[in-house]
Amino acid sequence: DTAVSQTPKYLVTQMGNDKSIKCEQNLGHDTMYWYKQDSKKFLKIMFSYNNKELIINETVPNRFSPKSPDKAHLNLHINSLELGDSAVYFCASSPRTIGRGFYNEQFFGPGTRLTVL
Amino acid sequence: QQQVKQSPQSLIVQKGGISIINCAYENTAFDYFPWYQQFPGKGPALLIAIRPDVSEKKEGRFTISFNKSAKQFSLHIMDSQPGDSATYFCAASTTSGSRLTFGEGTQLTVNP
Repeated sequence: DTAVSQTPKYLVTQMGNDKSIKCEQNLGHDTMYWYKQDSKKFLKIMFSYNNKELIINETVPNRFSPKSPDKAHLNLHINSLELGDSAVYFCASSPRTIGRGFYNEQFFGPGTRLTVL
Repeated sequence: QQQVKQSPQSLIVQKGGISIINCAYENTAFDYFPWYQQFPGKGPALLIAIRPDVSEKKEGRFTISFNKSAKQFSLHIMDSQPGDSATYFCAASTTSGSRLTFGEGTQLTVNP
């Protein structure tokens, strides 16, 4: 199946732990994103990579670090987890390449529900 | 800074009725306005989108109306069905940027 996939789907952990969420897309897209969706459903962009280059880096705690080993993968590592990090994290990808002017349809993964106890 | 404002926050409609969700934007550089639909436990998915060179776009029961001078656009769902119950997000972006700015979302419930 062609899609954006994330692992794990659920992540329950204690405060202070370090955890990673993995994302892979097999759509051949150039750009990938991480979003945080809070309990009120608001979607907040965190990071975006275009061909392994960081292009969007929103104001998020530096405990959050994205890593893109290749353009099909974008992982999110979170250090020293806090209660307020509990949310659903979505990975997305889009075919847009800077300079080509494609309209920016984004394809979302199924989400990872992170619960910090 | 919230550049796309969406209302209402929640909406309850009877089956067969019309659902209307409104969005307003501030950045006049925006030139792409998509709507995303999100079912519980799933990621958002593109539903329909419009560019500012047209005032309306229709796909089946879903219609976007766009008012460039007022910097507003809305989603109309005709003959709403229980299967339409979901959270709807409006969004906006420019063709020169990769960022989508989302509205706050509207939780639609269609009662049978």
